[in-house]
Amino acid sequence: EVQLVESGGGLVQPGGSLRLSCSASGFTFSSYAMHWVRQAPGKGLEYVSGISSNGGNTYYADSVKGRFTISRDNSKNTLYLQMSSLRAEDTAVYYCVNSGSYSRPFFDYWGQGTLVTVSS
Amino acid sequence: EIVLTQSPGTLSLSPGERATLSCRASQSVGSSYLAWYQQKPGQAPRLLIYAASSRATGIPDRFSGSGSGTDFTLTISRLEPEDFAVYYCQQYGGSPWTFGQGTKVEIK
Repeated sequence: EVQLVESGGGLVQPGGSLRLSCSASGFTFSSYAMHWVRQAPGKGLEYVSGISSNGGNTYYADSVKGRFTISRDNSKNTLYLQMSSLRAEDTAVYYCVNSGSYSRPFFDYWGQGTLVTVSS
Repeated sequence: EIVLTQSPGTLSLSPGERATLSCRASQSVGSSYLAWYQQKPGQAPRLLIYAASSRATGIPDRFSGSGSGTDFTLTISRLEPEDFAVYYCQQYGGSPWTFGQGTKVEIK
C-alpha cells in the first residue's frame, strides 16, 4: 500500500522558515517524481514544486521561486520542502504527491497533508 | 499559464442521477493531458481520471472522462451517496501545471 506521510507543519511568523518532510513507503521511491501541492483554507489546489526521480531536475511555481527549495533523499525515501521568507499567503495545507512522470505529471497518490500557518 | 475553468460551480443532484462536469482550458493542453480528482471534506484529493479518459486504479466504471484540446468532461453515470464531493481538473500539457477552481456536487 502506497503511503505518503507529511510532517513539519505548524505556526510560523511572517519572514520565518519551516522544513516539511514527506516519508514514502509502498512503492519504489527512487523511480518516481515527487511534488508538493498546497491548498489554502477553503480554496482550491495550487501546484508548488516538483523534483525528478534522481533529484537532478526541479521546478517551482513563480509564487514560491527563490523562497522554497525542494529536495529528496532516495536512501531515506523522503521528500523535503525548505520554506523561507514565509508570507501570510503561504498559509495552506501542503500535500506530498507522487507521479510517474516528471515532465507530464498527474498525481497518483496524495499524503494526508500538513498545515502551515503563517501569522504573527 | 493555462487557465482551467470548471462549470458549473455547484451541481445539485439526487442519488441515482447523472452528473456532467465541464473543464475548459484557455489553450490546448495537448491531446489528452488532463486529470480529474475527487476531494471530500477533510480528506486529500484522490485521482479519478488521467489522460482525459483513463480511470485510475480502483475507480468505479460509473466515472468516465472525455474530451481533448480545450474541452473536457467528467461524467458520473449514476450518483452514489459517496460521490458527493468537490471535483478538480488538472492539466499537465504545459507548465506550470494548473488546476481548475473545482465543481461541488451536492445532494439536492
